[in-house]
Amino acid sequence: EIVLTQSPGTLSLSPGERATLSCRASQSVSRTYLTWYQQKPGQAPRLLIYGASSRATGTPDRFSGSGSGTDFTLTISRLEPEDFAVYYCHQYGNSAPLTFGGGTKVEI
Amino acid sequence: EVQVLESGGGLVQPGGSLRLSCAASGFTYGFTFSHYAMSWVRQAPGKGLEWVSAISGSATDIDYADSVKGRFTISRDNSKSTLYLQMNSLRAEDTAVYYCAKTFGIHYQYYYMDVWGKGTTVTVSS
Repeated sequence: EIVLTQSPGTLSLSPGERATLSCRASQSVSRTYLTWYQQKPGQAPRLLIYGASSRATGTPDRFSGSGSGTDFTLTISRLEPEDFAVYYCHQYGNSAPLTFGGGTKVEI
Repeated sequence: EVQVLESGGGLVQPGGSLRLSCAASGFTYGFTFSHYAMSWVRQAPGKGLEWVSAISGSATDIDYADSVKGRFTISRDNSKSTLYLQMNSLRAEDTAVYYCAKTFGIHYQYYYMDVWGKGTTVTVSS
């Protein structure tokens, strides 16, 4: 099973600041099979980034994904009020189980 | 625009059973429900996301998380564009919001989950 470890657990920032979220895998993950989701309180997760760096439809360009192998990063260049949420990385390319990271909460 | 809608959640006693359903709609351009793998993902109160089970578009491939293997059964009826999760021998730790998620392609190990439902709540308690 591939374990995804996200850090930090909580990121306290202000609007306009830059957010850098980390996702580390216990073994190599193909970039193709690494995604990021955003979840706001009381809502379902929303696809943000797929293929490690491709923005999903509707994802603002202030969101960017990077990384390869075991280290992946989600960057929000300038935080907007609506970006305060929990972010999860997810991998699915190896044999089951599919796994999620524990999440990073971006708070004001 | 494809949408998925879960139903069937509720309060059940430990050891009991429940069947969740997920109805999908909005397919276009000749693509149908059978062209897409589907997954169930759950979220316990105050916790993160946990993948539960997935099924390929043709139902030839199925996988489960170890935590539910032998107790839960995923299935689909492509003629009804509906996904199911039969949950037996339920435990308190199965209490969660259960999300249905559509995958971008026919197999869950090659494509990401792109459309999620709003979820249905399952509470296991006496």
